[in-house]
Amino acid sequence: SQQGEEDPQALSIQEGENATMNCSYKTSINNLQWYRQNSGRGLVHLILIRSNEREKHSGRLRVTLDTSKKSSSLLITASRAADTASYFCATDPRGGTYKYIFGTGTRLKVLA
Amino acid sequence: AAGVIQSPRHLIKEKRETATLKCYPIPRHDTVYWYQQGPGQDPQFLISFYEKMQSDKGSIPDRFSAQQFSDYHSELNMSSLELGDSALYFCASSLAGRGLKDFGPGTRLTVT
Repeated sequence: SQQGEEDPQALSIQEGENATMNCSYKTSINNLQWYRQNSGRGLVHLILIRSNEREKHSGRLRVTLDTSKKSSSLLITASRAADTASYFCATDPRGGTYKYIFGTGTRLKVLA
Repeated sequence: AAGVIQSPRHLIKEKRETATLKCYPIPRHDTVYWYQQGPGQDPQFLISFYEKMQSDKGSIPDRFSAQQFSDYHSELNMSSLELGDSALYFCASSLAGRGLKDFGPGTRLTVT
């Protein structure tokens, strides 16, 4: 399986609830990033967490990184209908590469 | 602030035709990346350029080629198009080592 796999692949919650999405990867990384994509639209960068960081916050977003487990989680608190989108993680493998590997994505649906 | 520009935004081609997609990175960014995203799929890394030299190669078919020009814009040339090439093609740019934060809006290629 490929670098950067999201779990769950689809998530449906009510407005106001929290949404947690997980990402696992296989190789050592320099950093990991989360993106959001509305259906058929562009990729919007949400947050970057470096390999020496364990947690980062940005507004209603909280990202954790566990390099020993090669996993990351994205928590969206107090979700809104407008958060409905696909969320991807992408990893920057260590080793002087110039590429970011995306995972399969989690399709989040927030019901009003 | 200027963003990554891609042209055209939409392109319809027939099988076996050729297509050229263009990408204009954010000024002063030294790295350009190309990604392909099929319907319902995650973005797949195709190729990247750092300072006008090819820096990394992913799952880019031999029918595709790309280059980065002296003004840092990049072009993805696709020949002998197949139905399976129908996808959203994203270009992104960054400063090397700073994370991949800036994606273009994508070019939607439809091959009929």
